[in-house]
Amino acid sequence: ETGVTQTPRHLVMGMTNKKSLKCEQHLGHNAMYWYKQSAKKPLELMFVYSLEERVENNSVPSRFSPECPNSSHLFLHLHTLQPEDSALYLCASSQDRVGGHGSYGYTFGSGTRLTVV
Amino acid sequence: RKEVEQDPGPFNVPEGATVAFNCTYSNSASQSFFWYRQDCRKEPKLLMSVYSSGNEDGRFTAQLNRASQYISLLIRDSKLSDSATYLCVVNMATGNQFYFGTGTSLTVIP
Repeated sequence: ETGVTQTPRHLVMGMTNKKSLKCEQHLGHNAMYWYKQSAKKPLELMFVYSLEERVENNSVPSRFSPECPNSSHLFLHLHTLQPEDSALYLCASSQDRVGGHGSYGYTFGSGTRLTVV
Repeated sequence: RKEVEQDPGPFNVPEGATVAFNCTYSNSASQSFFWYRQDCRKEPKLLMSVYSSGNEDGRFTAQLNRASQYISLLIRDSKLSDSATYLCVVNMATGNQFYFGTGTSLTVIP
């Protein structure tokens, strides 16, 4: 049973729709992430939230909008997506080591498989 | 140059074989190293961290070579259930950036 829960598991949406992906972590971690996994590509970091700080990948289109209301919840708001945005979207959390000495590794959610039609 | 590079494989090995994967990383300031396993259509799961002195967990052995900037994963006595994609992951000392390799596909054949 993963400590990171993502909903929905599957989502099909039209290009004009607005939807949101939800992630919740029950591990007391201090950082949360959104990743995109497309076929035959490495995981692409989209957004990071660490305590009060948001670290953003500048190459993420504005049609993806993250929200982190507290340390346990993370959302990814989607609007006017394109078919090439179809992918597996993974949420992860981690506990960073004190003093910036790296991290203890991720725990991933099961992902949302998104299809844009 | 990619931050993390792996041979994508596929590696097809018979049951009982020993197989090794390597992964190179570009940033010498990298601090934490991991191997993840990802089954088809599932999320990646932490297999093991990689420590400077090397570490072993049952049939799995991980090694770190800082001088040459690579990590390795050795699987002994391969089982059918070891079939998966193995992801190399590197974390910088500063910030929260984890860099993933593209993964190495392993299929263990009966």
